[in-house]
Amino acid sequence: AQSVTQLDSQVPVFEEAPVELRCNYSSSVSVYLFWYVQYPNQGLQLLLKYLSGSTLVKGINGFEAEFNKSQTSFHLRKPSVHISDTAEYFCAVTPRTGRRALTFGSGTRLQVQP
Amino acid sequence: GAGVSQSPRYKVAKRGQDVALRCDPISGHVSLFWYQQALGQGPEFLTYFQNEAQLDKSGLPSDRFFAERPEGSVSTLKIQRTQQEDSAVYLCASSGRTGGYEQYFGPGTRLTVT
Repeated sequence: AQSVTQLDSQVPVFEEAPVELRCNYSSSVSVYLFWYVQYPNQGLQLLLKYLSGSTLVKGINGFEAEFNKSQTSFHLRKPSVHISDTAEYFCAVTPRTGRRALTFGSGTRLQVQP
Repeated sequence: GAGVSQSPRYKVAKRGQDVALRCDPISGHVSLFWYQQALGQGPEFLTYFQNEAQLDKSGLPSDRFFAERPEGSVSTLKIQRTQQEDSAVYLCASSGRTGGYEQYFGPGTRLTVT
């Protein structure tokens, strides 16, 4: 079984400041990792994914994430946020083999203030 | 192209009523998933189809929940005798043969049981 922990339920930040959203996971098998964003009253949109290779992955809207196997972490970063980045962000994992379902964290609300 | 669509977007049901939620996946996607998202939480897996075969229904919370995908395209999630605890957003996602396990989500159906 897998579990995902997003330690921060809310992260307030000023516009143009950097931000890091933390994600830690637990799994007995190797996993793929994802970050999704959810805007109000919308479904989830894929920001980025880690499948293999370079541990630093770049996604849409200027976001990037780094996979750290030893610390079982996959933190999301952006060097300079915009008001439009205000949304809920979810970290998710799925096993590399077998069950295809995503296991999500509880989400982090990013609030960008002017 | 068209994304995943879901209908209705909002549904209010009286306790004890049956409801049916529809999902139209991206054309050609063989995999289809249903998730339940309670308020303030991350999505939780309900069930998974590959074409018309329901390969995993381990997340369905009770025998009141039933899902089908008879022709391997459109899927319906049915909830019988709705209870207040069924109030949530129901998300549908589809995935193609990309090998990357990316799931593309619809906007969800918000079910409120009164």
